[in-house]
Amino acid sequence: DGGITQSPKYLFRKEGQNVTLSCEQNLNHDAMYWYRQDPGQGLRLIYYSQIVNDFQKGDIAEGYSVSREKKESFPLTVTSAQKNPTAFYLCASSPPAGGFQPQHFGDGTRLSIL
Amino acid sequence: GQNIDQPTEMTATEGAIVQINCTYQTSGFNGLFWYQQHAGEAPTFLSYNVLDGLEEKGRFSSFLSRSKGYSYLLLKELQMKDSASYLCAVVRGTGGFKTIFGAGTRLFVKA
Repeated sequence: DGGITQSPKYLFRKEGQNVTLSCEQNLNHDAMYWYRQDPGQGLRLIYYSQIVNDFQKGDIAEGYSVSREKKESFPLTVTSAQKNPTAFYLCASSPPAGGFQPQHFGDGTRLSIL
Repeated sequence: GQNIDQPTEMTATEGAIVQINCTYQTSGFNGLFWYQQHAGEAPTFLSYNVLDGLEEKGRFSSFLSRSKGYSYLLLKELQMKDSASYLCAVVRGTGGFKTIFGAGTRLFVKA
C-alpha cells in the first residue's frame, strides 16, 4: 500500500545537538511538507517542496533545514538554533496542486529534549 | 492578519448530530479542508469546499460561506470512534501549497 513513512516515532535530542527526521513517500507525489504541532495550536508549516531540488520556507523555518534530493524523500533537520524543538512533527505530501488535492500525512515524530 | 477560529472542545451523545464551526480571516483564500485527527495519529482528509454551499459525504457534510468567512462540519449518527480532533484548514494563494490550520476542535462522543 502507498503511504508516507516517518521515522523514528520518538526522538530525544540533547542540548546543542542537530537531529534529522526522516520522511519517505511512495505515493509518487510531487509536493511534500513539514509541519510542527504543539498542544492547543494548529499545525504550523516549517518548509515545503513543490518539486525535487526545490524547497520554500514556511511560517516557522528558523532553526530548521531540509533537502529534497529525491522525489520520495524530504528529511528535516532540527538544528541547535531551534531553541524550543519539543513538539510533534508531521510530514505530508500531495499530488500536483492543480486540483487542490488534500494532503496525506505520516504518523509523525515526537521530538523531546533531554 | 491570518487567523482561524474553532471551538476548543465539544461533547455530544452517540447517535446524535454535531456541528463544528470554523471562522477564518485570510488573504488569498482558495478553499477549505476538514481533517480528522485521533490523538497521536496522522490527520486524515474528510472534506473540501471551494465554492459556497454544502458538500455531503456519507455521515459527514461540510458547508462554506466565503462572504462570511465561515464553514462548518456536520457529523450525523455519531459513533464512539468519531471522538477525535477536527481540524479546519484554509488553502492560501495559488498552487495550494500554503495551508493554514486551525488549532482543532476536540470532540468527545459519550454513550
